Amino acid sequence: QTVVTQEPSLTVSPGGTVTLTCASSTGAVTSGYYPNWFQQKPGQAPRALIYSTSNKHSWTPARFSGSLLGGKAALTLSGVQAEDEAEYYCLLYCGGVQPWVFGGGTKLTVL
Amino acid sequence: EVQLVESGGGLVQPGGSLRLSCAASGFTFSAYVMNWVRQSPGKGLEWISYISNGGGAIYYADSVKGRFTISRDNAKNSLYLQMNSLRVEDTAVYYCARDLNWSVDFWGQGTLVTVSS
Repeated sequence: QTVVTQEPSLTVSPGGTVTLTCASSTGAVTSGYYPNWFQQKPGQAPRALIYSTSNKHSWTPARFSGSLLGGKAALTLSGVQAEDEAEYYCLLYCGGVQPWVFGGGTKLTVL
Repeated sequence: EVQLVESGGGLVQPGGSLRLSCAASGFTFSAYVMNWVRQSPGKGLEWISYISNGGGAIYYADSVKGRFTISRDNAKNSLYLQMNSLRVEDTAVYYCARDLNWSVDFWGQGTLVTVSS
């Protein structure tokens, strides 16, 4: 079964830029994994940010962007704000009998 | 306005059963794949089940296979999760989430299931 790995934690300064990554145990992440990214704040349901690698939902702030980087899916936050402090999860479509697999999440601290 | 509202959570003893529901509104429910995702206290998100828009394709995570059953009633705009043989490790917030063309976009607020004696 595929294991999806994210950085456990990252710290960024307000106004800075940070990139979170999402790797698959089966090899390089490609567009065929349709990477999705979610933000979750304490006590709240996850909120979708990015789908199919780089597509933003209508509510996704412009400072969030998705890409493929070095065989991984990546979420970049530019001009980070205090309100971006949260847990971020990637989700990969792995097909087969267990189609979706979440990464373990990245706790982003804005400090 | 798109809404997904889960219900049916609660406290149950190990070995017991619960049936979760997810009521959908504000969109054409029958057009969407639906998923159940759970989150144990202090832990990450875990995908546990998928059902295609017509119900013809169903998948489960190994952790729940053989114990949980996903179903949907498109006429009632509702998704269900029948959970049997519950274990302490099934304690979690359970979310329903819609899925269209590999975009998982809207989530419900979740319902808490606690398995404890």
